[in-house]
Amino acid sequence: GAVVSQHPSRVICKSGTSVKIECRSLDFQATTMFWYRQFPKQSLMLMATSNEGSKATYEQGVEKDKFLINHASLTLSTLTVTSAHPEDSSFYICSAPGVDSYEQYFGPGTRLTVT
Amino acid sequence: QQQVKQSPQSLIVQKGGISIINCAYENTAFDYFPWYQQFPGKGPALLIAIRPDVSEKKEGRFTISFNKSAKQFSLHIMDSQPGDSATYFCAASTGNQFYFGTGTSLTVIP
Repeated sequence: GAVVSQHPSRVICKSGTSVKIECRSLDFQATTMFWYRQFPKQSLMLMATSNEGSKATYEQGVEKDKFLINHASLTLSTLTVTSAHPEDSSFYICSAPGVDSYEQYFGPGTRLTVT
Repeated sequence: QQQVKQSPQSLIVQKGGISIINCAYENTAFDYFPWYQQFPGKGPALLIAIRPDVSEKKEGRFTISFNKSAKQFSLHIMDSQPGDSATYFCAASTGNQFYFGTGTSLTVIP
């Protein structure tokens, strides 16, 4: 199946700073990517849909000025958590649809800890 | 509103037994029903998926049963192994819009 990578896998940052998470489709192009957030022992919560060459679409309740998404190329989407606070600490996961758009391939996730 | 309801929340099965996880949905527009396996600290990995035009799909020890009229689908893991211990999520989608169940933590004891 298709491979999606994320970088970094873990990041610790201080409160008030910004952190960028990268999501790459390694062997296929993705005009759309998705960003999820997952709290411990909970399901995935869709945060936003990243669209190559256009603005991201955010789910209700997700602050677009706090979670900046840039889909600069067909293989790269980035999520920047701005002015991070401890409550932003979570597991962030991206996904991209495969050639058969029914399938979604997930990245390995990024553990963000804000101190 | 939870688009996909999943049960049980946790499941403990003896090695060699059958693990069964159930999901139900309401939106008849859903046309793709995947199951994902997630290990701690890792992203979900596609395990098996089914389209609504078939009632069952089997891949190795994993089987999806799909009941379109009841709007329910289930995952059966035959001959469960300790290595199957993970969290399993069902999902339903239409187009690129995916909706996930709340997850089932499976523990297979030796």
